[in-house]
Amino acid sequence: EIVLTQSPATLSLSPGERATLSCRASQSVSSYLAWYQQKPGQAPRLLIYDASNRATGIPARFSGSGSGTDFTLTISSLEPEDFAVYYCQQRSNWRELTFGGGTKVEIK
Amino acid sequence: QVQLVQSGAEVKKPGASVKVSCKVSGYTLTELSMHWVRQAPGKGLEWMGGFDPEDGETIYAQKFQGRVTMTEDTSTDTAYMELSSLRSEDTAVYYCALRNRDAFDIWGQGTMVTVSS
Repeated sequence: EIVLTQSPATLSLSPGERATLSCRASQSVSSYLAWYQQKPGQAPRLLIYDASNRATGIPARFSGSGSGTDFTLTISSLEPEDFAVYYCQQRSNWRELTFGGGTKVEIK
Repeated sequence: QVQLVQSGAEVKKPGASVKVSCKVSGYTLTELSMHWVRQAPGKGLEWMGGFDPEDGETIYAQKFQGRVTMTEDTSTDTAYMELSSLRSEDTAVYYCALRNRDAFDIWGQGTMVTVSS
């Protein structure tokens, strides 16, 4: 099973600041990596697929990069609605799909 | 616009089974790849399985094999996830989600399943 390790576990930032979230895979997942945002009591929302493609309706302040084992989600300037938990997910093999443990972005 | 609407919360005793439904609107289920993901209270997301259109079969995460069954009723565009031999660790919110290329872009609202004696 491919393990995804997200860091940091918690990121404390102020609105307007830049957020950089990391997701590291235990083995190469090529570019088959997605990012989701989840707010309390809500279902996850797809932000990025195939490492760097924004999903429909996702603001340009969200961007993804990386390939192989190291990936980054960047929020260029945090808006109040961006404070949430973020998960990465890999599908290098659809029979062994896994999620990372999540990064909580909280208001400093 | 595709929407997924799930059945309501369930409370089950250990050893029982639960069957959660997920109704599709705005599209035909036969043209979609439905998956199920769960989330224990305060924990992360865990993929349970779903339909693999490349192979034309339903695939299950190894952890749940033998205990989970995912089915579809194409006449009503409703997907089902049944989990048997429930234990307290199965207490979680269960989501249905649609696969689009390499990710899940549409999610149901979630169904809380509580396992308690």
